[in-house]
Amino acid sequence: NAGVMQNPRHLVRRRGQEARLRCSPMKGHSHVYWYRQLPEEGLKFMVYLQKENIIDESGMPKERFSAEFPKEGPSILRIQQVVRGDSAAYFCASSPPDNTEAFFGQGTRLTVV
Amino acid sequence: DAKTTQPPSMDCAEGRAANLPCNHSTISGNEYVYWYRQIHSQGPQYIIHGLKNNETNEMASLIITEDRKSSTLILPHATLRDTAVYYCIVRVDTGRRALTFGSGTRLQVQP
Repeated sequence: NAGVMQNPRHLVRRRGQEARLRCSPMKGHSHVYWYRQLPEEGLKFMVYLQKENIIDESGMPKERFSAEFPKEGPSILRIQQVVRGDSAAYFCASSPPDNTEAFFGQGTRLTVV
Repeated sequence: DAKTTQPPSMDCAEGRAANLPCNHSTISGNEYVYWYRQIHSQGPQYIIHGLKNNETNEMASLIITEDRKSSTLILPHATLRDTAVYYCIVRVDTGRRALTFGSGTRLQVQP
């Protein structure tokens, strides 16, 4: 059973471009969470999704950021018109239907130049 | 979810037990205690969780006080690879809640 897979591991974007980060949850997991970690800072919750539904997006910036978890395929975190302040590590986690322990991927490191 | 308090840093000698404390004095009856760690800049790693009974797995032991207001994560024989930031998180296990990470304890295992 493969772990949570995130890709790409590293992503470089110029200011104003779009960044798309992908997360494939563990097999059988129907809950996905996205977190952001700025350099030298802690993990900040962004959004919690179940298949085709956003459950909690209280940590998501109101503009430029969106997330989806379609019926088929990976969860996508999309950042439009990236700015330098978006440079961070973005971690995805998944948990099974009973929503107990969550398992994290290795993250995508976004660098905006 | 209840707030947790952890010391910002701790040192431990290699081969000795590492005891990481966590205070969660406002914990509710249906809230679980979770422990995760983050090694350098890797993804957080699940360690253990419990409600009120002590728990043990291949990685660690979790000791929860009888009043549930505090807990201790025990790494029985710390190695250099256990150097990481350890997070104690309290969360209701039912319902729609994500894990909320605080500042954690930075454990440095010394050779």
